[in-house]
Amino acid sequence: LAKTTQPISMDSYEGQEVNITCSHNNIATNDYITWYQQFPSQGPRFIIQGYKTKVTNEVASLFIPADRKSSTLSLPRVSLSDTAVYYCLVGRYNQGGKLIFGQGTELSVKP
Amino acid sequence: DTGVSQNPRHKITKRGQNVTFRCDPISEHNRLYWYRQTLGQGPEFLTYFQNEAQLEKSRLLSDRFSAERPKGSFSTLEIQRTEQGDSAMYLCASSRQTATRGDTQYFGPGTRLTVL
Repeated sequence: LAKTTQPISMDSYEGQEVNITCSHNNIATNDYITWYQQFPSQGPRFIIQGYKTKVTNEVASLFIPADRKSSTLSLPRVSLSDTAVYYCLVGRYNQGGKLIFGQGTELSVKP
Repeated sequence: DTGVSQNPRHKITKRGQNVTFRCDPISEHNRLYWYRQTLGQGPEFLTYFQNEAQLEKSRLLSDRFSAERPKGSFSTLEIQRTEQGDSAMYLCASSRQTATRGDTQYFGPGTRLTVL
C-alpha cells in the first residue's frame, strides 16, 4: 500500500477555506484516495473518496491531479467544530483489507 | 444505515483479567475490521473478516487476542490476561464489497480500554 505524507498540523480561522495536501508518490493504478476526520475519543468519520480529478460532496472537495501523486482536501468556510485530525489514506479499489493510517493532520480552527 | 455500534464504550479492568468487546456492523456489510488506537497515533490494523472468514491478522494480534465473527454478523474481540500495554481505544469498522467503487470503511465509536 502506498505511503502517505501530510502536514502534522495546520491552523486556520473561522470562515476560511482550508486545504490539506497529502502526497502519495507510490500510488498504484488500482488505488483510490480516502479522507477521514477524527474527533477526540471518537472513531474516524468518512469524509470523501476519489480516484481522479475532482470529487465534491456536501462536506468537502477532493482535488486529484492527473499524476495522482498527491491529493488536496478542501474544507470550505471552516468553523470551530471542524477542529479535528484529518487522515489521508490510499487503498486498493474494491479490495478489502487494512487501512494504514499515518499520524494525520491536526487542524485547529480559531475564532 | 444505523451505523456501526460497539459495546461497551468504556472498560476498566485489572491486569491479568480477560475482556471481551462486541461490534455490530452496518447491516449488509460483509466486511468487518478491528483496529487499535493509542493516544496521539492513528489507528493500527488488527484483523479483518469477510463474512465469517478471518482473512488477515496483524502481527500486533498476539496469542492473547482472539476475534470471531460467527455467522458473518457481529464480531467479538477478546483479550486474555490483559496487560497495561493493552490500554487503548479499540475501533471496529465495516464495509460492503462493491464492484463499482472503493471499499469504504465506516467506523464505530470505539471501546476505550484501561488496564490498571
